[in-house]
Amino acid sequence: GENVEQHPSTLSVQEGDSAVIKCTYSDSASNYFPWYKQELGKRPQLIIDIRSNVGEKKDQRIAVTLNKTAKHFSLHITETQPEDSAVYFCAASFSGAGSYQLTFGKGTKLSVIP
Amino acid sequence: EAEVAQSPRYKITEKSQAVAFWCDPISGHATLYWYRQILGQGPELLVQFQDESVVDDSQLPKDRFSAERLKGVDSTLKIQPAELGDSAMYLCASSPGTGYGYTFGSGTRLTVV
Repeated sequence: GENVEQHPSTLSVQEGDSAVIKCTYSDSASNYFPWYKQELGKRPQLIIDIRSNVGEKKDQRIAVTLNKTAKHFSLHITETQPEDSAVYFCAASFSGAGSYQLTFGKGTKLSVIP
Repeated sequence: EAEVAQSPRYKITEKSQAVAFWCDPISGHATLYWYRQILGQGPELLVQFQDESVVDDSQLPKDRFSAERLKGVDSTLKIQPAELGDSAMYLCASSPGTGYGYTFGSGTRLTVV
């Protein structure tokens, strides 16, 4: 099955700086890569996703890049703000006929210091 | 915005007791998932339903866990008997289909004492 590794497990940045979280996946057939943000005590919420036919996707201060050859993808947050503090999870899946399920990384706790 | 409903939000139970969680997915979402999230870790799949059928329950501890989605809409996850190691957040999620992200419910935080 799929295995997703996520680094770092914790990340502290100064407000206004950029944050980068990296993930690797094992199954070359995986073609859908979402990122979730989970605030303390709340549900994971989808913040951005990318499919394997795209190398980069941006949404305001958030961007995701994908390197299919190396089987890794990254989340980039620019101009970080205190409200970005949360746990971020990457995930990977194969989306095709049959079973479709996400395999999650172990999470990165991001702390933005005012 | 449509939501996945879960209840209860919190549950404290003694070990060896039975406990049940309920989930109502977003209307029209045929795929429903139950995940377990241990504090400080990522969600791990327990069971996946497509309509009323189980698609994957390979990670479900079937000696004590059971899940059903009888009419292909809402779902129940049961643990009997509960063990101390079952303490975790139990998340339900639904998806409209392949290639789409999940929408998670607020979860049930289970504490077994």
